[in-house]
Amino acid sequence: DAGVTQSPTHLIKTRGQQVTLRCSPKSGHDTVSWYQQALGQGPQFIFQYYEEEERQRGNFPDRFSGHQFPNYSSELNVNALLLGDSALYLCASSSGTGGNQPQHFGDGTRLSIL
Amino acid sequence: RKEVEQDPGPFNVPEGATVAFNCTYSNSASQSFFWYRQDCRKEPKLLMSVYSSGNEDGRFTAQLNRASQYISLLIRDSKLSDSATYLCVVNFYGGATNKLIFGTGTLLAVQP
Repeated sequence: DAGVTQSPTHLIKTRGQQVTLRCSPKSGHDTVSWYQQALGQGPQFIFQYYEEEERQRGNFPDRFSGHQFPNYSSELNVNALLLGDSALYLCASSSGTGGNQPQHFGDGTRLSIL
Repeated sequence: RKEVEQDPGPFNVPEGATVAFNCTYSNSASQSFFWYRQDCRKEPKLLMSVYSSGNEDGRFTAQLNRASQYISLLIRDSKLSDSATYLCVVNFYGGATNKLIFGTGTLLAVQP
């Protein structure tokens, strides 16, 4: 039973570039959430996708966008990269959007901006 | 004020010790509460959910006080393998969303 898988594991970009991160949810899960974790901080909620729509968004600029596909997998896109975007990007999946559903995290993508 | 606040740590304890972590949250509408564990450079993993009546899982006990908006985690008989960052997590459940709000985490180092 595959858990949450993310790709790539590491990525190095320069300022101004664009990046796409990918996530496949755990088998049986249909909801995907994305988080940004800066060094020494807890993960910060970016947005959540359910039924191919963005359901809720955290306090992140429009440079951060996403998509969910019919097979429930998801992408996170970041445009016009800034040095401050360097972080671990985590994808979490759950079954439905109920508040008591625990979320399961992937290993994350470590993004470094030079 | 942060939505979820935790003890800053780090906590350095000897093997076998009992250690307690505390967490407070600001939104009284919060519905669900969790403790996650995160090892260095790894993803967070669910340790346990926290229920109003309190719950125990082996050496781990979680407590919730809704009136004080306070959550705790107690670890008894600490093991070296318990060394990790412990994240207090709150779900501000509104409508059909499942948005987790994380504390900054408390680092635990269990010493031999």
